[in-house]
Amino acid sequence: RKEVEQDPGPFNVPEGATVAFNCTYSNSASQSFFWYRQDCRKEPKLLMSVYSSGNEDGRFTAQLNRASQYISLLIRDSKLSDSATYLCVVNTRPSSYKLIFGSGTRLLVRP
Amino acid sequence: NAGVTQTPKFRVLKTGQSMTLLCAQDMNHEYMYWYRQDPGMGLRLIHYSVGEGTTAKGEVPDGYNVSRLKKQNFLLGLESAAPSQTSVYFCASSLLPPGQGHGETQYFGPGTRLLVL
Repeated sequence: RKEVEQDPGPFNVPEGATVAFNCTYSNSASQSFFWYRQDCRKEPKLLMSVYSSGNEDGRFTAQLNRASQYISLLIRDSKLSDSATYLCVVNTRPSSYKLIFGSGTRLLVRP
Repeated sequence: NAGVTQTPKFRVLKTGQSMTLLCAQDMNHEYMYWYRQDPGMGLRLIHYSVGEGTTAKGEVPDGYNVSRLKKQNFLLGLESAAPSQTSVYFCASSLLPPGQGHGETQYFGPGTRLLVL
């Protein structure tokens, strides 16, 4: 079983739609959680960190469910510019320098 | 402020050849990382450094060596390239290690595409 699993998609949605991605992680001791965004043939960039209480940044909302070991990303009012691959990233152990990256979920937003 | 830069952007090697990938950051970050990204797989950590003069193995270190002689530079070397090392290589840096709060964000360079024939 992969340490971090994501549905590869693609999720194909119209502009203005709401879309949600889930990501599951296998290590219950995982401490830090992030969503990164990666455009085609570009480097990953931090979208948002995921806190225990959940957090919101404009149209983006991230949630953490430790009991079920998953994190989620909700995008409201999708824009064409949201088309990208979204990477779920987990820091698996305390004091570990190792981030585990999921293979990503691809989102396509159509006009 | 260029952030993280990588050279070269693209390279083709023959099996057995050697090369060095250069990563430079101008953010005064202590922590630097080398990852590789392959289709259908997440980024995997090759080596990392927690400060000038230090290096450590990541998840997939075999076939690679690294050096961090200056704080701003992190070099990744392939001594004898193999087709299995065909990949996209990303360098990243952070002020703090993962789990340490706001400074833990990793900033990535634009990547080096390597093809080994």
